[in-house]
Amino acid sequence: AQSVTQLDSQVPVFEEAPVELRCNYSSSVSVYLFWYVQYPNQGLQLLLKYLSGSTLVKGINGFEAEFNKSQTSFHLRKPSVHISDTAEYFCAVNSRIRSGANNLFFGTGTRLTVIP
Amino acid sequence: SAVISQKPSRDICQRGTSLTIQCQVDSQVTMMFWYRQQPGQSLTLIATANQGSEATYESGFVIDKFPISRPNLTFSTLTVSNMSPEDSSIYLCSVRQGGDYGYTFGSGTRLTVV
Repeated sequence: AQSVTQLDSQVPVFEEAPVELRCNYSSSVSVYLFWYVQYPNQGLQLLLKYLSGSTLVKGINGFEAEFNKSQTSFHLRKPSVHISDTAEYFCAVNSRIRSGANNLFFGTGTRLTVIP
Repeated sequence: SAVISQKPSRDICQRGTSLTIQCQVDSQVTMMFWYRQQPGQSLTLIATANQGSEATYESGFVIDKFPISRPNLTFSTLTVSNMSPEDSSIYLCSVRQGGDYGYTFGSGTRLTVV
């Protein structure tokens, strides 16, 4: 079975400061990991994903994440945040669902608030 | 990646009524997925909709409450039936394209039941 734990429900950070949003996973199958962002009143947008290869994954808007198999983590980082980064961030892992297809299992989300 | 148009973007409905949500995709896709996002919570998969077959519902969701149609490879609807305030949520559709887990999401329908 798959699970995703986002340890922080809310993260306030000052503008231009670095930020790390934590994500830990468990999975009984090959792991594919994702970070999505949801801006207020909008759908989800893919930030980045890890399928294989280099464990350091670079995404859009200056975000990056590192896959750490030994620690079963996939933390999201940005060296300098902007006001526009204020949003909800979801970590997700691939999951086998009832139809037999592969789909995503989401964590509970982390609300990032950037303070001017 | 696919572009999804989801309607309505929001609605306020009376309890006991039903609401049908539509998702239109700009390209043909085999599978479409419907999610619920309850206030302050993460996304939960309701069902998988394949063209030409019955939808497959996840644990805790039933067809009588959430009937789904998938008449062709670019369109699907989700109906929330006999609504109660507990159905107040954001409902999102999603598609997967390609072999690299390219999931795209609609912009969501924010439903409030009063």
